[in-house]
Amino acid sequence: GEDVEQSLFLSVREGDSSVINCTYTDSSSTYLYWYKQEPGAGLQLLTYIFSNMDMKQDQRLTVLLNKKDKHLSLRIADTQTGDSAIYFCAERISGTYKYIFGTGTRLKVLA
Amino acid sequence: EAQVTQNPRYLITVTGKKLTVTCSQNMNHEYMSWYRQDPGLGLRQIYYSMNVEVTDKGDVPEGYKVSRKEKRNFPLILESPSPNQTSLYFCASSLDRGPYNSPLHFGNGTRLTVT
Repeated sequence: GEDVEQSLFLSVREGDSSVINCTYTDSSSTYLYWYKQEPGAGLQLLTYIFSNMDMKQDQRLTVLLNKKDKHLSLRIADTQTGDSAIYFCAERISGTYKYIFGTGTRLKVLA
Repeated sequence: EAQVTQNPRYLITVTGKKLTVTCSQNMNHEYMSWYRQDPGLGLRQIYYSMNVEVTDKGDVPEGYKVSRKEKRNFPLILESPSPNQTSLYFCASSLDRGPYNSPLHFGNGTRLTVT
């Protein structure tokens, strides 16, 4: 069945770049998303990428998509303490309204 | 302000006592959905609705019911809650745009504890 996998934890120093990785199984996914969850809050959409794109950049965020390997990554440049949160990768299954979420990666930024 | 509102934020109840978690959105979204979030499992879809009176099961529907009598509201009903339904629940909505991008907007969550 469909599955999205992420590592559970990542720790970086303030000012460094963070790279959060995700692998997915549905090759027909049309959109892939990154959501951010801060403590006590719901998920907020950070960015998304359409499946015919390889890369998308949005200020400090860079999304890379490798369709061949079904690998998605989120790079946060100049990571700040306010970036500490859980980051979820998600795919929308083509032709459906079903979204599959990863387990989330908890990013901890050390001052 | 465009938002998805869930109530209550926190709920502690006992096994077997029926409860309802409400969800309302003010964005005129067709699509609404319920998820539960558990440690190490990410978000799993419980039920979703593509429009008024149209609902369907997600991956973990057992023990839950939903209804969609109005476009803006999508309550989650636990007829006889059990301890394994202790979890963090999220409601989400989006525009129905077919294959086009329509990202999910989430509520702030309801933390449910069943003893």
